[in-house]
Amino acid sequence: ETGVTQSPTHLIKTRGQQVTLRCSSQSGHNTVSWYQQALGQGPQFIFQYYREEENGRGNFPPRFSGLQFPNYSSELNVNALELDDSALYLCASSLEIASYNEQFFGPGTRLTVL
Amino acid sequence: SQQGEEDPQALSIQEGENATMNCSYKTSINNLQWYRQNSGRGLVHLILIRSNEREKHSGRLRVTLDTSKKSSSLLITASRAADTASYFCATDAGGYSTLTFGKGTMLLVSP
Repeated sequence: ETGVTQSPTHLIKTRGQQVTLRCSSQSGHNTVSWYQQALGQGPQFIFQYYREEENGRGNFPPRFSGLQFPNYSSELNVNALELDDSALYLCASSLEIASYNEQFFGPGTRLTVL
Repeated sequence: SQQGEEDPQALSIQEGENATMNCSYKTSINNLQWYRQNSGRGLVHLILIRSNEREKHSGRLRVTLDTSKKSSSLLITASRAADTASYFCATDAGGYSTLTFGKGTMLLVSP
C-alpha cells in the first residue's frame, strides 16, 4: 500500500457530463500529479499541483482542471466528457517537486464514458 | 506523447527464469524509473536510476542505464508467478517531478 487513496473506484458517465475524481495524498506530501492511462497505454501526465497551485501541465485541454487542498486531498475535474476520456485516472503524490522524489501512486479511478 | 518505448511488448517465461525488458527514450533525462502495474491498477515504484549512474540493484532487480544510447534495461532474476504484471519505464526530464511513461511490457510468468 502506498498510502494514497482515490475515489470512486469505478465511474460511468455519459458524453457531455461533468465528473470529479478525488485523491488523498500521503500526509506531508506537497505535490500531487494526475495521469490518464488509456487501455493498453502508459500513463500520460495531465497536470501537477504544488502547495495548491498548478505547477505544470501536459497536453490536455482546459476542460481538465484540478484543485489541491491544504489537507492533502485533491480533485480532478473533467467537463464536457468525451468518449475518449474513458481511461484509468491515477494520482501520485510526492514529498516535494524535485525530480528525484519518489512518486506514490493511488489505485486509480476507472472512468467509462458512454 | 510517449517518451519511452519498452521492448518487448509482451514476454512469457517460466518460473525461475530471468526476464529482461528494455526501454529506449528520446530526450536527455534527470533520472529513469521503473514501475510495475498489476491488472490495470495503481503503479508500484520499483527502482530509480539517476543519469550519472550506470547500474543499480534492488533485491532480484537489476537496472542498467546507457545515456549515450538513451536506453535502459530491467532484469528480474529467478522470476516468480507473482511477478506477472505490466512493467513501465518512466523518464524524468523536467524541473518538476513529472514522469513520461512508455507503453509498457506485459510479463507473464507461468508456474
